[in-house]
Amino acid sequence: SSELTQDPAVSVALGQTVRITCQGDSLRSYYATWYQQRPGQAPILVIYAKNNRPSGIPDRFSGSSSGNTASLTITGAQAEDEADYYCNSRDSSGNYLVFGTGTKVTVL
Amino acid sequence: QLQLQESGPGLVKPSETLSLTCTVSGGSISSSGSYWGWIRQPPGKGLEWIGTIYYTGTTYYNPSLKSRVTISVDTPKNQFSLKLSSVTAADTAVYYCAKYTTSGGGDWFDPWGQGTLVTVSS
Repeated sequence: SSELTQDPAVSVALGQTVRITCQGDSLRSYYATWYQQRPGQAPILVIYAKNNRPSGIPDRFSGSSSGNTASLTITGAQAEDEADYYCNSRDSSGNYLVFGTGTKVTVL
Repeated sequence: QLQLQESGPGLVKPSETLSLTCTVSGGSISSSGSYWGWIRQPPGKGLEWIGTIYYTGTTYYNPSLKSRVTISVDTPKNQFSLKLSSVTAADTAVYYCAKYTTSGGGDWFDPWGQGTLVTVSS
């Protein structure tokens, strides 16, 4: 079982804001990374090292963290943001990597 | 820009060894500080970290797979490889290779290969 827990699914109206959360004890010590995965495609990096966006990722994506919870916020969701989102960080020992359980985002 | 491409058999028999290769282009696999990794995703399920390798050959494996996994690097060919022994149907998945970076308290995989589906079946 994953040490990083995410809500299975969330929905957001077009143009509105949605927050996706990732919970785990290791997040008190390590940053979460976030990936977007559209159906049939490989994951792509959207947020790394707390709140950094790779080039090409729109600024409507942002990351934050508080205690044992990391969040990915999409401000002004677009139709193309409909995808699965996974968080990634260390496990509680800090020695290994783990992925979150994944959140399916539906844009209405 | 850096690109990664997985290759290998798409069908493996139970109890045999799964072998995949990731070819890196657009950059050197032995660049100082370079790590590389394998991640898999069973059909309809989430992502699972398999392991990572430093360009010098130091490896880190998922404890749940450690007894069956070997990751190696071939710097002259600019490739790194995955071997997973004694496979069962539970190892059926899309296997991804990716460049791994660890810095300032963060860890991330970018870029990723397109992935290759490996089915374990007789």
